[in-house]
Amino acid sequence: GAGVSQSPRYKVAKRGQDVALRCDPISGHVSLFWYQQALGQGPEFLTYFQNEAQLDKSGLPSDRFFAERPEGSVSTLKIQRTQQEDSAVYLCASGRGGALSYNEQFFGPGTRLTVL
Amino acid sequence: AQSVAQPEDQVNVAEGNPLTVKCTYSVSGNPYLFWYVQYPNRGLQFLLKYITGDNLVKGSYGFEAEFNKSQTSFHLKKPSALVSDSALYFCAVRDRGNKLIFGTGTLLAVQP
Repeated sequence: GAGVSQSPRYKVAKRGQDVALRCDPISGHVSLFWYQQALGQGPEFLTYFQNEAQLDKSGLPSDRFFAERPEGSVSTLKIQRTQQEDSAVYLCASGRGGALSYNEQFFGPGTRLTVL
Repeated sequence: AQSVAQPEDQVNVAEGNPLTVKCTYSVSGNPYLFWYVQYPNRGLQFLLKYITGDNLVKGSYGFEAEFNKSQTSFHLKKPSALVSDSALYFCAVRDRGNKLIFGTGTLLAVQP
């Protein structure tokens, strides 16, 4: 079946530009997560949605980062005024259960963002 | 705070030999542990998880992991390595709200 998809797969931005990264989760999955993976590191949590509600945004590194999931399905991660330190792979994951579940997360292929 | 540690940056093993990728954890409360594998330019793929019950967990592609509470470890194992197992492996622990805290990853290289 269809997995988690992300677009674009690669994005090059000039410093100061705004970018928008899209995530299409597996249909019917309640939970949606965004992670940031720097080169040579493990993924780090950014934010979590249960349906359309953003329940945890403690991992967002600054107020330049904003995420939404208005209809409880597709999600967009927006980064305003990009900086070079924002260069990373941004991973989206979805899961069946809510915040109290122990279900595994299914990851998309990621968007590689390069800020010049 | 929950955390996991992967003490080896890289593990080298010959094809056909058993492999072990190490992971130790530090948690408050019951640990909920996961292993994921990442191939180049692809997202993470779920291998297996420990929630409760049997200490030996079997997962995808012939992998298994042994949960050891006294040693706070959750090592990933496979009886006979394949060249196609060469990839980056991440151990993770569930934190509050179901988010995952990942280790730094271990690169597994299987030589033919």
